[in-house]
Amino acid sequence: YELTQASSVSVALGQTARITCGGDDLERKSVNWYHQKPGQAPILVIYRNNYRPSGAPDRLSGSNSGNTATLTISGAQAGDEGDYYCQVWDTIVVFGGGTKLTVL
Amino acid sequence: EVQLVESGGGLVQIGGSLRLSCRASGFSVTRQYMSWVRRAPGKGLEWVSSIYSDGGTFYTESVKGRFTVSRDNSENTLDLQMSGLGVEDTAIYYCARLDDGNSGFYYMDVWGEGAMVTVAS
Repeated sequence: YELTQASSVSVALGQTARITCGGDDLERKSVNWYHQKPGQAPILVIYRNNYRPSGAPDRLSGSNSGNTATLTISGAQAGDEGDYYCQVWDTIVVFGGGTKLTVL
Repeated sequence: EVQLVESGGGLVQIGGSLRLSCRASGFSVTRQYMSWVRRAPGKGLEWVSSIYSDGGTFYTESVKGRFTVSRDNSENTLDLQMSGLGVEDTAIYYCARLDDGNSGFYYMDVWGEGAMVTVAS
């Protein structure tokens, strides 16, 4: 199973960023999202399409419909910069290629 | 506190071997699905291997026959024995715990800080 992500997304400070993840009939799967900053380990920010782990800001939300899952970051901040990865479970772990978010 | 701490990274020659270990605290590695994930320089996250609570093991194609994942019950560690290493294996290796919230769909909710493996001639 393959997941497709855009390599980069830019957003103005305080605006809304949308990072997408594409896959065949993706809505039948449960999509998770991770954020990785330079020099740090990834952290889970959205699981099972739209649940936030404790500690994750409520500015982050997720959705999954058709062949596309979307991570939405509202009121983008400098600390939101980094790489975002979508992931699904297909008996094994499958990652998307990652999207680099830049906050301008 | 639930935590994962990797050790064993370092510099190894092409064709050499290395063993990574990931010590868990706050939970038992034998009762969870566990995975190794790596990130090579300039690349994205890549799933490497998983071991399930029933002992089943899985590997990405590029490491099959060279890497072996295991658990040490007494030490509560997840291990990755790597052999036949090539430059393409150079990466930061992370261990991670998989959870599913009883949904059957797994996500990685706890990550270690990573261990650097450099393969060079």
